[in-house]
Amino acid sequence: QVQLVQSGAEVKKPGASVKVSCKASGYSFTRYYIHWVRQAPGHGLEWMGRINPNTGGINYAQNFQGRVTMTRDTSISTAYMELSSLRPDDTGVYFCARESYSGNCFDYWGQGNRVTVSS
Amino acid sequence: EIVLTQSPGTLSLSPGERATLSCRAGQSIGSNYLAWYQHKPGQAPRLLIYGASTRATGISDRFSGSGSGTDFTLTISRLEPEDFAVYYCHQQNNSPWTFGQGTRVEI
Repeated sequence: QVQLVQSGAEVKKPGASVKVSCKASGYSFTRYYIHWVRQAPGHGLEWMGRINPNTGGINYAQNFQGRVTMTRDTSISTAYMELSSLRPDDTGVYFCARESYSGNCFDYWGQGNRVTVSS
Repeated sequence: EIVLTQSPGTLSLSPGERATLSCRAGQSIGSNYLAWYQHKPGQAPRLLIYGASTRATGISDRFSGSGSGTDFTLTISRLEPEDFAVYYCHQQNNSPWTFGQGTRVEI
């Protein structure tokens, strides 16, 4: 069965970086885009960007451009999202999600990574 | 950027009642690119509806989606206790992909 398993919770200081991982199983990793979505406390879902695991091609949301880096390691079917220059308002839960083959929805989601940014 | 506006913000209903959730887009969206998700605290969002009206695998037929262009609706025909959650619409018609702000369905 398809699974996306994310790494554990992180606590970071302002100005630091965080790198979260999303390990895929149960399907061919390189055939489906992986997206990253953030939920800040008391807020809704915010799209951060996506990576094509086959080519490494990336689209970033403008709000995160310059601070976010998405990569992948096809040998271990894992996608990564690194966010730098962290601020307290980057606190939230970060989800990875698989884009469906038809490209019109996110059909599987990781369980989420809680990231806390605090001095 | 396509802005999605959901209404109402909160829907207070009882089990057995019908819930009607609205999602309005700032510009026309191809019906194939509108999805709905259910999100409960501490869990991953769950895909309910894609292509505006197609139920995802394993989703109860109490959930139905409709609409086209700029106006879309998610209907829950008879609320069960497990349906109380936040619901988001989502478009993948144009980058950046966007979500509505959510509708909370509460008891």
